[in-house]
Amino acid sequence: DAGVIQSPRHEVTEMGQEVTLRCKPISGHDYLFWYRQTMMRGLELLIYFNNNVPIDDSGMPEDRFSAKMPNASFSTLKIQPSEPRDSAVYFCASSFEGRSYNEQFFGPGTRLTVL
Amino acid sequence: AQSVTQLGSHVSVSEGALVLLRCNYSSSVPPYLFWYVQYPNQGLQLLLKYTTGATLVKGINGFEAEFKKSETSFHLTKPSAHMSDAAEYFCAVSFTGGGNKLTFGTGTQLKVEL
Repeated sequence: DAGVIQSPRHEVTEMGQEVTLRCKPISGHDYLFWYRQTMMRGLELLIYFNNNVPIDDSGMPEDRFSAKMPNASFSTLKIQPSEPRDSAVYFCASSFEGRSYNEQFFGPGTRLTVL
Repeated sequence: AQSVTQLGSHVSVSEGALVLLRCNYSSSVPPYLFWYVQYPNQGLQLLLKYTTGATLVKGINGFEAEFKKSETSFHLTKPSAHMSDAAEYFCAVSFTGGGNKLTFGTGTQLKVEL
């Protein structure tokens, strides 16, 4: 299996622009998680989905952030408009409810820089 | 509610020395416990996990951890550090019925010196 795939790996944009991050989970996994990692705040859970349905979005920082999962093999995290404080590494992770005991598999991350 | 505390945000050891990274958890139900490693500019990778059964768990790269219920601890050890072990290490906890959600500690940056 290719693992969790994220694109782009790096994104540089200007303040006010829309940013879309993409994630393809591992085939067969039914949970998908979006995290943000910064030096100041560490690893934060933003939102997670089960069977394509958002379960908990309490970690989404503002209305500028939105996430969708239109099908089992694709999810997006959108920031509109972007701000410099959104600069971070964004990780997507997936897991399978079953024998995995909640183990999550992480993608390589998208490094976002907002100028 | 669950929580994880990692003592020491930075740990430095000499190459060949024992590595000990501390993790304590709080959970009202039997936990599942994990250690993840993050190398520079990479995602998190599972090192090892405790679910049920044997309390001493062996993982990749020579790491192991012991689940001690009485101490609510899950410390990570490696007998002899290697330069390639330099990375950030995260302890995490979850439980059955928790929606596959992991609660992560704040991480420990391991530095290995010659």
